[in-house]
Amino acid sequence: EIVMTQSPATLSVSPGERATLSCRASQSVSSNLAWYQQKPGQAPRLLIYGASTRATGIPARFSGSGSGTEFTLTISSLQSEDFAVYYCQQYNNWPPLFGGGTKVEIK
Amino acid sequence: EVQLVESGGGLVKPGGSLRLSCAASGFTFSNAWMSWVRQAPGKGLEWVGRIKSKTDGGTTDYAAPVKGRFTISRDDSKNTLYLQMNSLKTEDTAVYYCTTVVAARPGGYYFDYWGQGTLVTVSS
Repeated sequence: EIVMTQSPATLSVSPGERATLSCRASQSVSSNLAWYQQKPGQAPRLLIYGASTRATGIPARFSGSGSGTEFTLTISSLQSEDFAVYYCQQYNNWPPLFGGGTKVEIK
Repeated sequence: EVQLVESGGGLVKPGGSLRLSCAASGFTFSNAWMSWVRQAPGKGLEWVGRIKSKTDGGTTDYAAPVKGRFTISRDDSKNTLYLQMNSLKTEDTAVYYCTTVVAARPGGYYFDYWGQGTLVTVSS
């Protein structure tokens, strides 16, 4: 079974700065990777699918890149509403598996 | 607007049963593949299971920890998804989310719309 590893576990960033989150798969998942955002007390929200395609209504400051085993979610200029936990999920193989999450907190 | 509203959560003793419901609106439910995803308190996300649309066979599949204990079903006439949970264990304690599924490839799917979740607590 594929293992999804996210790093760092916590990222401290100042508003307006750039945040770079990493997701690594234990074997290739091609570009079959999604990213989700979860704010405290809320349900997750789909941000990115196909490793780099933004979901409907997602601002352009969110971008995804990578393929194979290494993926990156970049938030170009953090807004106050972006402080949250971010999860990656592979869907190249069954079962669908999530990474452990990266918490983006205010520095 | 897509809306998914879960209900049915609560406190149940180990070994007990519970049925969750998810009322769907804002899309053609009968054409949709649906899933349940759970999140233990303070933990990450874990896929529970999936049901296809009846047009695509209506079949289900489940994560290993719940297979044989949990059953997903749907009532397209009521636009409602269900999760029947039997033989509950303390480790099933979690918020359970109902989601719509995007079947991106054979055996591979992600989750585009999520409900707000319902908390299931398994404790004596």
